[in-house]
Amino acid sequence: DGGITQSPKYLFRKEGQNVTLSCEQNLNHDAMYWYRQDPGQGLRLIYYSQIVNDFQKGDIAEGYSVSREKKESFPLTVTSAQKNPTAFYLCASSIQAENYGYTFGSGTRLTVV
Amino acid sequence: GENVEQHPSTLSVQEGDSAVIKCTYSDSASNYFPWYKQELGKRPQLIIDIRSNVGEKKDQRIAVTLNKTAKHFSLHITETQPEDSAVYFCAAKVEGGSQGNLIFGKGTKLSVKP
Repeated sequence: DGGITQSPKYLFRKEGQNVTLSCEQNLNHDAMYWYRQDPGQGLRLIYYSQIVNDFQKGDIAEGYSVSREKKESFPLTVTSAQKNPTAFYLCASSIQAENYGYTFGSGTRLTVV
Repeated sequence: GENVEQHPSTLSVQEGDSAVIKCTYSDSASNYFPWYKQELGKRPQLIIDIRSNVGEKKDQRIAVTLNKTAKHFSLHITETQPEDSAVYFCAAKVEGGSQGNLIFGKGTKLSVKP
């Protein structure tokens, strides 16, 4: 799966429920990212982590939380505070060096039911 | 912070014609500009990138140009084929802190008609 795996591919959330999206990479990349994709909105950064046990808020962090306990893993929790969570979520990783692009996972489509 | 504008939002061309997608960026410190192709329901994939020390880069039917003075860069696809149909995103690397983040444009949906 290109070295970065997201699961599940589809996820359904009930109102008021927290859900966690998984992102695992075996590329030995230091940096990992979560993006949200809505139609016509492009890719918006939710959270990013450049090193284990450290992460930073992106442009739309409200209603989301992350952890980075291992280099390989960067799970995203969509909390009940996120009022409009239906979207396509993409995880990405990159090496810790300037001027290199990201490798993306295959995404998780989250739908509120 | 950095802002990336991308135009057009949709582009339709006949097979064999050329397609051009343009992006502008706001932060003059940005020095890395990748382009991603995203087919329907799939992950974005890097197709070409350019760094600020060059003005143009080619890879078969794809080329990217960079004008640092005007702060814009463009993707050129020649001899388009139906399999080029996808959403294309430009991005710019923000310099700041210990590591900048890619800032993406909103995407261009390219349709190549047979």
